[in-house]
Order: sequence, then C-alpha cells, then structure tokens
Amino acid sequence: GAVVSQHPSRVICKSGTSVKIECRSLDFQATTMFWYRQFPKQSLMLMATSNEGSKATYEQGVEKDKFLINHASLTLSTLTVTSAHPEDSSFYICSARDNGQVQETQYFGPGTRLLVL
Amino acid sequence: EDQVTQSPEALRLQEGESSSLNCSYTVSGLRGLFWYRQDPGKGPEFLFTLYSAGEEKEKERLKATLTKKESFLHITAPKPEDSATYLCAAYSSASKIIFGSGTRLSIRP
Repeated sequence: GAVVSQHPSRVICKSGTSVKIECRSLDFQATTMFWYRQFPKQSLMLMATSNEGSKATYEQGVEKDKFLINHASLTLSTLTVTSAHPEDSSFYICSARDNGQVQETQYFGPGTRLLVL
Repeated sequence: EDQVTQSPEALRLQEGESSSLNCSYTVSGLRGLFWYRQDPGKGPEFLFTLYSAGEEKEKERLKATLTKKESFLHITAPKPEDSATYLCAAYSSASKIIFGSGTRLSIRP
C-alpha cells in the first residue's frame, strides 16, 4: 500500500520550454501532496504544498508563476516548470499524505530528473 | 527556528558492525518524527514514524528511538544492501515538515 508514482522519471528539454510532471497516489486518496526539489548530495527542499481543489501554498523564495501546481483530484497533482532554464535542472520529488490514515506520514514518489539544456 | 540536524554526515561500516545514526531536532510542538531511506536517484522510502518520547519501532535490522531532543536509528549487524542515505524529518505543530541533511551509510562486505 501507499504507493506514489511520478511521470516522467526523466526529462530533457530545451531552455524556454515548459515541462509538466505528474504525481499520482495509486492506492489511496490524498487531499494534500507536496513538491520537493533536491540537489546532489543535499536534502529535500520543500517547494510547495498542493491542496486538492484549492490553491497551492508556496514556500518563501519559490516563484508561483514559475512553478505552477494543479491538484485537480484526490489522486493527482501536477507541477509545471514554465519557461525552464538550466538552473531549474534538478531532481523533483513529490509526496502525498494518505487521507485514510490518522498519522501524518508522507509517502514519496520515485522522483523526476529534469535537465534543461 | 525549527531545525533538524543529522550526524554523522557519512558513516562507513564493515558488514556486521552495528552502529547508530543521530537526528537532533529543535521543533515547536513536535507532531511526528519520520525516518526515510533514500537510494541514489530515487525517492525516499518510508521507514518509521515516532510520535512521543520513549517510543521505539523496529523493522528487520533497524530500530528507531525517540527522546525529547533527538532520535536514533540503530542498525544491527548491517549488510551491504543497507547502504543508502538515511533521512530524518520532524513534523511541527505549524504543519511544517523539516528534513535533516541525511547520513550516507556505506556497508563494506
């Protein structure tokens, strides 16, 4: 149980294009999902909290217009990196909190490696 | 300011050599302390959640404990497949989850 998938697992794009990353909870419903960014040999940095049916909450320093988040259903959140630049290259990981559990545990997806040329 | 500090940054052990990883936290109103395992190029894999001081949880060769200031991840007789980065994270009363920087564990056969 508690499986979270991400698609794609890896993407290479040209500078200036937009990239969409999907995060799905496969066997549970998640009102709340989270998007993280991770640089090599560093820990996870929370970018935003995605709430089903409402606007995402962004952490300080994260540009809302740059990183668009949509949480249209209880099993899907998407992160769109708009007008991507080489400095946006990173490992993006989503996590989801199971509505059916009392505990606050987050379950993570496998991550998406983004490379912007 | 809420903070989570893990030590050591890296740890190399011989197969079978038991040890402990430390996670010190300063968090307002701890609601949960999480341990995850992360392999290179993959997302973190959930291991344990601890909620109150004195609580312990075990899974195979791993045991997590919690006090009011820190948590330990004890690894008993580790095997090479236990090599990974171990992350701890604290969940605060402000609904914020704060990750430590991780401990890179390497087990030599």
